[in-house]
Amino acid sequence: EEQLVESGGGLVKPGRSLRLSCVGSGFNFDDYVLHWVRQGPGKGLEWVSGISWDSGRIDYADSVRGRFTISRDNAKNSLYLQMNTLTAEDTGVYYCVKDRLAAGIKDTWFDPWGPGTPVIVSA
Amino acid sequence: DIQMTQSPSSLSASIGDRVTITCRASQTINVYLNWYQQKPGKAPKLLIHSATVLQSGAPSRFSGSESGTEFTLIISSLQPEDFATYYCQQSYNTPFTFGQGTRLDFK
Repeated sequence: EEQLVESGGGLVKPGRSLRLSCVGSGFNFDDYVLHWVRQGPGKGLEWVSGISWDSGRIDYADSVRGRFTISRDNAKNSLYLQMNTLTAEDTGVYYCVKDRLAAGIKDTWFDPWGPGTPVIVSA
Repeated sequence: DIQMTQSPSSLSASIGDRVTITCRASQTINVYLNWYQQKPGKAPKLLIHSATVLQSGAPSRFSGSESGTEFTLIISSLQPEDFATYYCQQSYNTPFTFGQGTRLDFK
């Protein structure tokens, strides 16, 4: 069974940093694009960032570009999200998600999703 | 960015009802449209991809259709476990955008 499990969320003050991690199992980790998707409290889903299998292609939402950095370590079956200069608008549950493709950005879908890790940005 | 507009934003229905949820894209997205189901406190789950293809394991009462930039999720006969929030998502290009969600609850 394909699984993703996030960790690293928590309470952080505005302006500070946090690093999220995600470990994958049950599939060939280095064969797929991976993404982070977040959901604010009581809100909808927002795609945050995606990274190709070889880290050769990386994309960010405008809302996080320049503050967040996505990376992966295929040897450790791990995906990361370094979040800097956090604001209250970054509060939410962050999901790690597997793409169906190795490197494409079109005609794709997200499956499975991890259970999510909560991030609360508050003074 | 491609805007995805779902309607209605909420819907009350009864067991056995036929339910239709619509998603409209702000530009052409071919058939690069996915539907997800999310239950409270849980991660979303893929229901339908490529506008009409039922994900393996998803019940056959779910189906999808498309007409130009308008996409529809249909539940043929509502079951108790279907009460959830549904999201559409375009995968035509990044940023991959979602609709605002349709909350389906019990009438």
